Amino acid sequence: KNEVEQSPQNLTAQEGEFITINCSYSVGISALHWLQQHPGGGIVSLFMLSSGKKKHGRLIATINIQEKHSSLHITASHPRDSAVYICAVIRAGGGGSQGNLIFGKGTKLSVKP
Amino acid sequence: EPEVTQTPSHQVTQMGQEVILRCVPISNHLYFYWYRQILGQKVEFLVSFYNNEISEKSEIFDDQFSVERPDGSNFTLKIRSTKLEDSAMYFCASSTNMKETQYFGPGTRLLVL
Repeated sequence: KNEVEQSPQNLTAQEGEFITINCSYSVGISALHWLQQHPGGGIVSLFMLSSGKKKHGRLIATINIQEKHSSLHITASHPRDSAVYICAVIRAGGGGSQGNLIFGKGTKLSVKP
Repeated sequence: EPEVTQTPSHQVTQMGQEVILRCVPISNHLYFYWYRQILGQKVEFLVSFYNNEISEKSEIFDDQFSVERPDGSNFTLKIRSTKLEDSAMYFCASSTNMKETQYFGPGTRLLVL
């Protein structure tokens, strides 16, 4: 079983729509990352959070530690938001003690004009 | 803005050959990571490196793999005798601290024939 599960796997939206991508994890964590992977393969870190909520432009990330769940929201989506969005966690203690990430499979988002 | 760089961007090699993938992390970063992504699959952790030694490695990182920081700026991943299944995109990442954002390089696409 994957330690990090994302849903949906694929998401198609119309420009302007509000988008939510979900991430659930089964291990104790010290932090959770949301990453964006462009069609060319490059990975960019969007957020790192360990509690509450963070906002950057049209992107909002929330985490509920008790429920082991995080969401990434995109407001007023645009075709340039089309990418794969990846949730990754740093396991608390033990094998995650040096910051290495455990990745979800990603959500492929396509925003149509 | 400082960035992580990787060379080469693409490498094709014959099975059994040695390859060295190179990374230049951001200059004031202290934690370094290698990840890989087999085509169509999720990103996987290989190894983390801090204070000139390996701090964590995954099951994938067997005796065929080694890492080195030979000169205080480069961070290299060596695969001694490549196998077909080593074909993947290899990403280097660095961070100031294991609890901080990781910055990813653009990746090296390795193809083993």
